[in-house]
Amino acid sequence: NAGVTQTPKFQVLKTGQSMTLQCAQDMNHNSMYWYRQDPGMGLRLIYYSASEGTTDKGEVPNGYNVSRLNKREFSLRLESAAPSQTSVYFCASSSGLPGAQFFGPGTRLTVL
Amino acid sequence: RKEVEQDPGPFNVPEGATVAFNCTYSNSASQSFFWYRQDCRKEPKLLMSVYSSGNEDGRFTAQLNRASQYISLLIRDSKLSDSATYLCVVSAAGFNAGNNRKLIWGLGTSLAVNP
Repeated sequence: NAGVTQTPKFQVLKTGQSMTLQCAQDMNHNSMYWYRQDPGMGLRLIYYSASEGTTDKGEVPNGYNVSRLNKREFSLRLESAAPSQTSVYFCASSSGLPGAQFFGPGTRLTVL
Repeated sequence: RKEVEQDPGPFNVPEGATVAFNCTYSNSASQSFFWYRQDCRKEPKLLMSVYSSGNEDGRFTAQLNRASQYISLLIRDSKLSDSATYLCVVSAAGFNAGNNRKLIWGLGTSLAVNP
């Protein structure tokens, strides 16, 4: 039981490049989330998916797209990376218990 | 005023000490409150929910003061392994049990427990 896994762990991109961050959970959770964490800003929700086949914008969706491929997998895509997207990205899932989210280990992304 | 405010610390305490953190929130309509811990360069992990009547989990006690709009976390008999950042999380409008996206995260309070 791996919980929530994310790949890659680290990534360096040049401005304008694209990439997809992968996330998978094996806890049979319905809801999945993508957050970014920046110094002085706290965790901010980018997108979330309440269930397979549905996605919705969070607080800071601009510059990102997501795909809920199946119940297990939820990917985040940066189509044209910008330095402002330099951050630590966390994927999370939840079973519906209030406030209980399980996070992946994060992806540290640097955009030059 | 920020929606969720925490003293960033760091709090430096010796092993065995008792330490308390407060977190203030601005929205009086917030209904649900949580404490997460985040180790350095790791992911956040749920520590405990905060109930109206207060709740305890081993050495950890969480309290809610609605009148003054703050929650607190008390750690007794601090261990070296308690060293982490403690994140206060408050529900926003539209939060319900199946809608964990409506959460507001504080910036965290850093705790260092020293031998």
